[in-house]
Amino acid sequence: KAGVTQTPRYLIKTRGQQVTLSCSPISGHRSVSWYQQTPGQGLQFLFEYFSETQRNKGNFPGRFSGRQFSNSRSEMNVSTLELGDSALYLCASSLAGTEEKLFFGSGTQLSVL
Amino acid sequence: SQQGEEDPQALSIQKGENATMNCSYKTSINNLQWYRQNSGRGLVHLILIRSNEREKHSGRLRVTLDTSKKSSSLLITASRAADTASYFCATLNTGTASKLTFGTGTRLQVTL
Repeated sequence: KAGVTQTPRYLIKTRGQQVTLSCSPISGHRSVSWYQQTPGQGLQFLFEYFSETQRNKGNFPGRFSGRQFSNSRSEMNVSTLELGDSALYLCASSLAGTEEKLFFGSGTQLSVL
Repeated sequence: SQQGEEDPQALSIQKGENATMNCSYKTSINNLQWYRQNSGRGLVHLILIRSNEREKHSGRLRVTLDTSKKSSSLLITASRAADTASYFCATLNTGTASKLTFGTGTRLQVTL
């Protein structure tokens, strides 16, 4: 079974631009969650989707948004990029997203210049 | 914000030795999980312990949970060079289904 796939692996953007990151979960997994990892703040929860519905959201500004498609694939979008958005963005999938372990992708390393 | 603090922040041991990492958290939990991360890549799930469990084993891993002290420890026995990585605890807090709260992590270096 293929693992969680995130694209692209690396991304360089400039301030003010927007970016879309993609995540394909493990086949059969219906929950997809997103995390931001920075050296200063560590791993922070962004949001979680299950069956195309956002079930939980972290404490991030509205510039961060996401969605999930009927095939469980998910995208997250960051608009009006700021230097502080530079981070490793990790996607994780699980069967139902409640109480069980997460399977993580390799992440997208975003650099904002 | 992160809930958990991990101790130590960094640990260097020799191959064959045991490594112990500790995690403290602040609120009541449904379960606590440990993950490993190699060089800024994705996280790999190691072990999950539920709030009504006190100890769990998986291969060379042993996890304990003390809910009265809101703390957990991860023991890796007979360490190998391949164990070199960052280790994170993560809690699924009561009432926050589908959201894991991660600790600050412990960087483990296993030298030959």
